[in-house]
Amino acid sequence: ILNVEQSPQSLHVQEGDSTNFTCSFPSSNFYALHWYRWETAKSPEALFVMTLNGDEKKKGRISATLNTKEGYSYLYIKGSQPEDSATYLCAPTNNNDMRFGAGTRLTVKP
Amino acid sequence: GAGVSQSPRYKVTKRGQDVALRCDPISGHVSLYWYRQALGQGPEFLTYFNYEAQQDKSGLPNDRFSAERPEGSISTLTIQRTEQRDSAMYRCASSPGTSGTEQFFGPGTRLTVL
Repeated sequence: ILNVEQSPQSLHVQEGDSTNFTCSFPSSNFYALHWYRWETAKSPEALFVMTLNGDEKKKGRISATLNTKEGYSYLYIKGSQPEDSATYLCAPTNNNDMRFGAGTRLTVKP
Repeated sequence: GAGVSQSPRYKVTKRGQDVALRCDPISGHVSLYWYRQALGQGPEFLTYFNYEAQQDKSGLPNDRFSAERPEGSISTLTIQRTEQRDSAMYRCASSPGTSGTEQFFGPGTRLTVL
C-alpha cells in the first residue's frame, strides 16, 4: 500500500504570486509519479508523469521536480493566475498500485 | 468523441439492488482503471486491467464489488446488494501503456444508494 502525503492541504495566493507544494511518498519500489490538476465537477487532468530521480518537467508556468531517493516531488506554479485555481493531486505508482494523495487545493485571488 | 466515456452518468438505486457501471476506454488503450471518489476527496484506486486481464483488485472494498473487461476494451464494474456507503463518484481511466504512462479519466458515474 502506498502512503501519499500532500502539503499544504490548501493554499490561498494573490494573482502573480509564485507558489509550490509537496508530495511525499515511500521511496521503496518506486516506479512513476503522476501529477494531476483537478477542478471540481470535472475529471482529473494529467499534468506530468515522472520516472527518474532528478527529473524536471515543465508545462507553461507549471513545473515539477522529483526526488525518488528521499521520496518527494515539488510542483511549482510561476506567476499564479485565477484560472490555476484547482486541486493538484499527486499519485505515485509502484507498477502494481497507484494511489492518489488528498491533494492541495489552490485558490488564486485576482 | 475520442475520450473515455462512462454510463450511466447518474444512477440512483435502492439499497440491496445490484448496479452495473460501464466504462468505454479510449480506443487502443491497453490499461483500464477503476476509482471511487468520495465528495471532496481524491480518487481511491479500486482495480485495473491490462487488456482483458485483471492485474490488481486489492482496492476493491469487499466481495460485493467485481469488475470485468472480457474483450480487453469495455469494462463493467458491478456492485451487488448495494449499501448506502457505496454512494460515491465512480471514475474509470484508460492509458495507452502500463502504469508509467498518463491516465485519461472519464466523466464518472455518480451513484446514489437510498
